[in-house]
Amino acid sequence: TQLLEQSPQFLSIQEGENLTVYCNSSSVFSSLQWYRQEPGEGPVLLVTVVTGGEVKKLKRLTFQFGDARKDSSLHITAAQPGDTGLYLCAGARAGGTSYGKLTFGQGTILTVHP
Amino acid sequence: KAGVTQTPRYLIKTRGQQVTLSCSPISGHRSVSWYQQTPGQGLQFLFEYFSETQRNKGNFPGRFSGRQFSNSRSEMNVSTLELGDSALYLCASSPSSPNRGLVWRFGPGTRLTVT
Repeated sequence: TQLLEQSPQFLSIQEGENLTVYCNSSSVFSSLQWYRQEPGEGPVLLVTVVTGGEVKKLKRLTFQFGDARKDSSLHITAAQPGDTGLYLCAGARAGGTSYGKLTFGQGTILTVHP
Repeated sequence: KAGVTQTPRYLIKTRGQQVTLSCSPISGHRSVSWYQQTPGQGLQFLFEYFSETQRNKGNFPGRFSGRQFSNSRSEMNVSTLELGDSALYLCASSPSSPNRGLVWRFGPGTRLTVT
């Protein structure tokens, strides 16, 4: 079973602080996605990384895919209350029995206090 | 472009009943996947359909089934409902078969409560 270990599970910080969420696996993924989910809604795609070592930036969010494509991180600079939500990493493997299947981490519940 | 739509958004059923959930993918998307989300297990993959064919299935009992129609709309069915089936059921659509997970878009989900 391919697992994605996401940490930390909970993060409570003050506005303006920086934070990093980690996503680790013993399996190689062809791509890794990060989602943000609001209560009662579906996950919204933030970014997809596909190349080992790739770094993508989305305003104050920086995403990195590990060189071996087994791990990823999400770094938020100067967090704002609007960043509050559930952050999920999800890995995809190519072809065969992996069609359409994303393996999700358990998620990180981020709360940013004003 | 309209997003993935799921109906109904909320559903309350009794143990032993069956339920059918519907998912309409983004126009042009041919692949639809279904997930179950619970607080304890997170998001778990149920199955994936492409061009009306189930290509992949997760580790769920046979009470969980699905199908896809020629217009790519998909339905999932759960028979003989159990309390543990209470969850948010999510579907996601993608335009093509390569499973690099590049453009999976999720719907808002159907919240199923089994009493």
